[in-house]
Amino acid sequence: GAGVSQSPSNKVTEKGKDVELRCDPISGHTALYWYRQSLGQGLEFLIYFQGNSAPDKSGLPSDRFSAERTGGSVSTLTIQRTQQEDSAVYLCASSLNRDNSPLHFGNGTRLTVT
Amino acid sequence: GENVEQHPSTLSVQEGDSAVIKCTYSDSASNYFPWYKQELGKRPQLIIDIRSNVGEKKDQRIAVTLNKTAKHFSLHITETQPEDSAVYFCAAGDGNNRLAFGKGNQVVVIP
Repeated sequence: GAGVSQSPSNKVTEKGKDVELRCDPISGHTALYWYRQSLGQGLEFLIYFQGNSAPDKSGLPSDRFSAERTGGSVSTLTIQRTQQEDSAVYLCASSLNRDNSPLHFGNGTRLTVT
Repeated sequence: GENVEQHPSTLSVQEGDSAVIKCTYSDSASNYFPWYKQELGKRPQLIIDIRSNVGEKKDQRIAVTLNKTAKHFSLHITETQPEDSAVYFCAAGDGNNRLAFGKGNQVVVIP
């Protein structure tokens, strides 16, 4: 079946502009995650959605970052007033609503802030 | 929160030899330990996982061992092949579906 889909695959933006990154999780997966991966670095947790519960936003690095998940499916990560240090690959993952079920990652959005 | 560390950061092995990557974690409440493989330019993919009620798990050429007392777990790859070259991430979870990842380990298999 279809996996996790992210768009755009690449995004180049000027410093100070806002960007929106989109994630379509696997159908039926109620848990959705956003991670950030900088060059040569690990996976930095950003935010976690689980069903209708309040999201876990504890990983968002600043108030310029926000995310929504509408209808329990598609999610949008928004970065306002982008900075050069925001340049990274933003990975979305989804999983079943089950204790410690595996994460299925999308291909990510490579964001470059110039 | 949970802190996961991986060692070594880079590992080079001759084709056919074994590779071992070790991870340590800090939170004794963690009970789920997956390993993800990320090939160059691709998404991370789950290759094996282990839960705290098991000490070892094996799947063909890969195995994972867990030592809860020492709070570390290791990935073992036997008879390495060039396609095993990738970055491997370990993670630890507490059952609330939130995983803490290590920084990754670059494995290079030399033909």
